[in-house]
Amino acid sequence: AQSVTQLGSHVSVSEGALVLLRCNYSSSVPPYLFWYVQYPNQGLQLLLKYTTGATLVKGINGFEAEFKKSETSFHLTKPSAHMSDAAEYFCAVSGSNTGNQFYFGTGTSLTVIP
Amino acid sequence: ETGVTQTPRHLVMGMTNKKSLKCEQHLGHNAMYWYKQSAKKPLELMFVYSLEERVENNSVPSRFSPECPNSSHLFLHLHTLQPEDSALYLCASSQADRDTSPLHFGNGTRLTVT
Repeated sequence: AQSVTQLGSHVSVSEGALVLLRCNYSSSVPPYLFWYVQYPNQGLQLLLKYTTGATLVKGINGFEAEFKKSETSFHLTKPSAHMSDAAEYFCAVSGSNTGNQFYFGTGTSLTVIP
Repeated sequence: ETGVTQTPRHLVMGMTNKKSLKCEQHLGHNAMYWYKQSAKKPLELMFVYSLEERVENNSVPSRFSPECPNSSHLFLHLHTLQPEDSALYLCASSQADRDTSPLHFGNGTRLTVT
C-alpha cells in the first residue's frame, strides 16, 4: 500500500529564508509525485510534479523539489520565502501500481514571519 | 471559463434539508472526484467517476449520493446530514487514461450543517 508522510505539520520561516518542506513516501515501485498548495478558502493548486526523467523538478512561484529514490523522499524547497508563500502544502503520490489513485499527506502549514 | 468550477462556494443547511453540490470541469478530462477536507484530518477520497462510471466508494455514508451525468459535470446530493459532515468539499478532475495526469481541483464548497 502507498503512504505519504509529511514531517512537521507546521513550519515557520522568516521572510527571505530558505523554505524546506519534507515528504517521504512508501512504495514498492517509483511512484509519480506531486506537491500542491492550498491558500485559505481555496482548492488545491498544483505546484509541481515528478513523473520520469530529471529528478530535480521546478514548479511555479520559485519552488522546486528533488526526487531521491534511495531516500524515498520528495522534499519541497524555495531559496527565499515570500509573505505570499504562507499556505498549506500537500505532498501526494500516484502511479500505475495504485490504480491511479492519489494518496495525500496530512499537509504542512507554512507561516512566513516578516 | 476554464478549470474546475464548484457551486455554491458556501452552504449552510439544517440536518433535515436536502441540497446538492455542483462541479463542472472545462479541461476535457474523463475522471472526476469528490474529496472531503475536514480540519486537522487528511484529505478523504469520497467518490471517483472514471468515464462516467463510479469506480470507488470508500464506504461513504448513504446520506451522500453522487451523480455524474456526463464527463464534465459532477453532483453531490446531500440529505439528512450530521454536524460532523461540516467540511470543505472539493471536486477534482484528471485524465484517467494518463497515469501521470495530476488532479485539478475546484475551490470547494464550504458546508456547515446546523
